[in-house]
Amino acid sequence: NAGVTQTPKFQVLKTGQSMTLQCAQDMNHEYMSWYRQDPGMGLRLIHYSVGAGITDQGEVPNGYNVSRSTTEDFPLRLLSAAPSQTSVYFCASGRLADYNEQFFGPGTRLTVL
Amino acid sequence: RKEVEQDPGPFNVPEGATVAFNCTYSNSASQSFFWYRQDCRKEPKLLMSVYSSGNEDGRFTAQLNRASQYISLLIRDSKLSDSATYLCVVTPNTGGFKTIFGAGTRLFVKA
Repeated sequence: NAGVTQTPKFQVLKTGQSMTLQCAQDMNHEYMSWYRQDPGMGLRLIHYSVGAGITDQGEVPNGYNVSRSTTEDFPLRLLSAAPSQTSVYFCASGRLADYNEQFFGPGTRLTVL
Repeated sequence: RKEVEQDPGPFNVPEGATVAFNCTYSNSASQSFFWYRQDCRKEPKLLMSVYSSGNEDGRFTAQLNRASQYISLLIRDSKLSDSATYLCVVTPNTGGFKTIFGAGTRLFVKA
């Protein structure tokens, strides 16, 4: 099993550009989530999903969209990148019954100039 | 006040030492508690769950104190490989499936 995979590993964007961060898991987990991690602030939940077709907002959803068309994939879209979105983005998945026991992907380091 | 607060450290300890971290949470109705470990520039990984009765896994012991609203992690006989950031995680009782991470406590174990 590959677990949780994320692409790309690194990305540099210019302000105003859009892009999609990819996340996939092969563990058949119902729960998937996106976090951003900034120095001194810990991980903050952006969006999460409890199954295909179901998504909900986390703590910091503004500027990001998600969709969940399959159990395996949970892409995160930045609509119009801003320097404040420079961060490390982690995708995670888990069984819905134990959704706090999450398995994380390796992360995407995003810089917005 | 942050929902979950941790002493950022760093804690610098020699090999073999015992070290303890605390994490306080503000929502008294919080339901579930966990410790994750994060190595430098890596993803977080679940270390252990925290139960009301306490939880021990080898050299690691986690405790929950609901009255004072904190959880703790005790590491005995520290190893160099224990050097990492330890993240406290809380599930608030606010509906939905949300998880709150603390900012983490950094631990350096020295030879």
